[in-house]
Amino acid sequence: GENVEQHPSTLSVQEGDSAVIKCTYSDSASNYFPWYKQELGKRPQLIIDIRSNVGEKKDQRIAVTLNKTAKHFSLHITETQPEDSAVYFCAAMDQGGKLIFGQGTELSVKP
Amino acid sequence: DTEVTQTPKHLVMGMTNKKSLKCEQHMGHRAMYWYKQKAKKPPELMFVYSYEKLSINESVPSRFSPECPNSSLLNLHLHALQPEDSALYLCASSQEELGRVNFGPGTRLTVT
Repeated sequence: GENVEQHPSTLSVQEGDSAVIKCTYSDSASNYFPWYKQELGKRPQLIIDIRSNVGEKKDQRIAVTLNKTAKHFSLHITETQPEDSAVYFCAAMDQGGKLIFGQGTELSVKP
Repeated sequence: DTEVTQTPKHLVMGMTNKKSLKCEQHMGHRAMYWYKQKAKKPPELMFVYSYEKLSINESVPSRFSPECPNSSLLNLHLHALQPEDSALYLCASSQEELGRVNFGPGTRLTVT
């Protein structure tokens, strides 16, 4: 079945710097890759997603890139702000329509 | 209405109690899910109701049982839980063919 690896597990950046989180997946049939942001005590919130027919997608300060050949995808956050501090989860949707999550990255943006 | 709602927000129960968690969505989604999440860990899928069919994660113990009264509601019945079952229980829904999974706010469960 699908397996998703996520790195790094923790990431600390200065306000205004960029942050990059990387994920790899194992099932070449997976075709949907969302990213979730989860603040302490809150629900996971979908912040951006990408489908396998697209290589890159941007939404303001957030972008996701997908390399289907290498089976990896990345989240890029530019001009980070303290409110970006949260746990970020990548995921891949398997052939059964189930989301398989990475282990999460705890991002800390220092003012 | 674009939300998944869950009740209660918090629940404390003893190991001999029986309780239920409730979830509702009015987006016309055909798939609904229950996830369990421990602190700073990813959500773990417990059950999926998709097009009126139930799929079970076989590692979920029988003290958890889902019920889908209609396409908008999904309940999770709890019986004889253990302290290690304390976690955030998240309900979610998706229009399965689109893949976007929307999570509810969760029920914070503590088993004493």
